[in-house]
Amino acid sequence: GQNIDQPTEMTATEGAIVQINCTYQTSGFNGLFWYQQHAGEAPTFLSYNVLDGLEEKGRFSSFLSRSKGYSYLLLKELQMKDSASYLCAVMDSNYQLIWGAGTKLIIKP
Amino acid sequence: ETGVTQTPRHLVMGMTNKKSLKCEQHLGHNAMYWYKQSAKKPLELMFVYNFKEQTENNSVPSRFSPECPNSSLLNLHLHALQPEDSALYLCASSQEESSGANVLTFGAGSRLTVL
Repeated sequence: GQNIDQPTEMTATEGAIVQINCTYQTSGFNGLFWYQQHAGEAPTFLSYNVLDGLEEKGRFSSFLSRSKGYSYLLLKELQMKDSASYLCAVMDSNYQLIWGAGTKLIIKP
Repeated sequence: ETGVTQTPRHLVMGMTNKKSLKCEQHLGHNAMYWYKQSAKKPLELMFVYNFKEQTENNSVPSRFSPECPNSSLLNLHLHALQPEDSALYLCASSQEESSGANVLTFGAGSRLTVL
């Protein structure tokens, strides 16, 4: 079967760096997405990786290793507003999105 | 209005009621989706519409009935639901690309409680 694994919950301190991991086993691969979802709000798109390596967007970076079936989302200079759930999703060979259950990130002052 | 709008934001209904969830996208996208989001579970894709035609129905029970009046509107009709159907229902839209970089724009969701 197809599977996406990510930690259920993580805690980090304001101003610090946190890395949220995502491992996947899917039928084929056509890209990996990260979304952010604040409580009670819509998920919003953060990043898309289809080639190996690191993509940087301001304080957020996303890394992909296709050979290892692994990605991470790196958040730097954490702010209280970064408290949210982070959803990892992989597009398989049929262009279907397979979703992880999300990682709830708690930022403490 | 911008983005994807869902109404109502909250809905409480009995198991014998009939209600509808509405979704409208103002982005000119060609595809629309209904997802079910339950606590600590992955998003579950329910239905996909592309250019108003249903292209996917992920074995969803018939008590959920989608309707796509035009490419900007997607409704979800609810009838005889069960308590386990209580969840957040998310609507999304996208401009489907052959490249695979199919970014979804979500609405804020409709929180459904079935009593």
